[in-house]
Amino acid sequence: GQQVMQIPQYQHVQEGEDFTTYCNSSTTLSNIQWYKQRPGGHPVFLIQLVKSGEVKKQKRLTFQFGEAKKNSSLHITATQTTDVGTYFCAGLASGTYKYIFGTGTRLKVLA
Amino acid sequence: DGGITQSPKYLFRKEGQNVTLSCEQNLNHDAMYWYRQDPGQGLRLIYYSQIVNDFQKGDIAEGYSVSREKKESFPLTVTSAQKNPTAFYLCASSIQEFYGYTFGSGTRLTVV
Repeated sequence: GQQVMQIPQYQHVQEGEDFTTYCNSSTTLSNIQWYKQRPGGHPVFLIQLVKSGEVKKQKRLTFQFGEAKKNSSLHITATQTTDVGTYFCAGLASGTYKYIFGTGTRLKVLA
Repeated sequence: DGGITQSPKYLFRKEGQNVTLSCEQNLNHDAMYWYRQDPGQGLRLIYYSQIVNDFQKGDIAEGYSVSREKKESFPLTVTSAQKNPTAFYLCASSIQEFYGYTFGSGTRLTVV
């Protein structure tokens, strides 16, 4: 079945450093979504990518969808303590209607 | 404000009991979902519903049941057949299937 893997599982960075998490699917995706879950909270939708090679920015966050539509990345520039949380990708395999969530990357920012 | 309300926030269940988790949304969303999250892990789909009076099993439906009698409501029952029910349960909705999800604040279920 479809699998969506994320790396790394954990990342500790000093405040001001950059951070990147990668999402890899075993199958081609129709689109991919990214969510952020603060400690003790619930996932919050960040963005959806649909087109091959698409790049979208939200302030310090940059999201990319691979040319083959099998991988994606989230890059945070100059992390802040408010960026702490777990970032999940969720991929929709072509021809299906269910999103498969990745295992998540837990980000800790040290002040 | 529009959103999804899950209740209760914390729930303790004795072994052998059925419990029902509430999920209500006022976003006028058609699609609703139930996910289970175990510590340090991703979200696994239990059930989903695209329209009233219709729902489909997700990847881990065994030991769970749902109903969708109203557009606003999608309650989840954790039955005694669910062997390891202790987890964080998240309800979500979306305007249509392929749009971003809005999640509720979740219910933490513990078996005592």
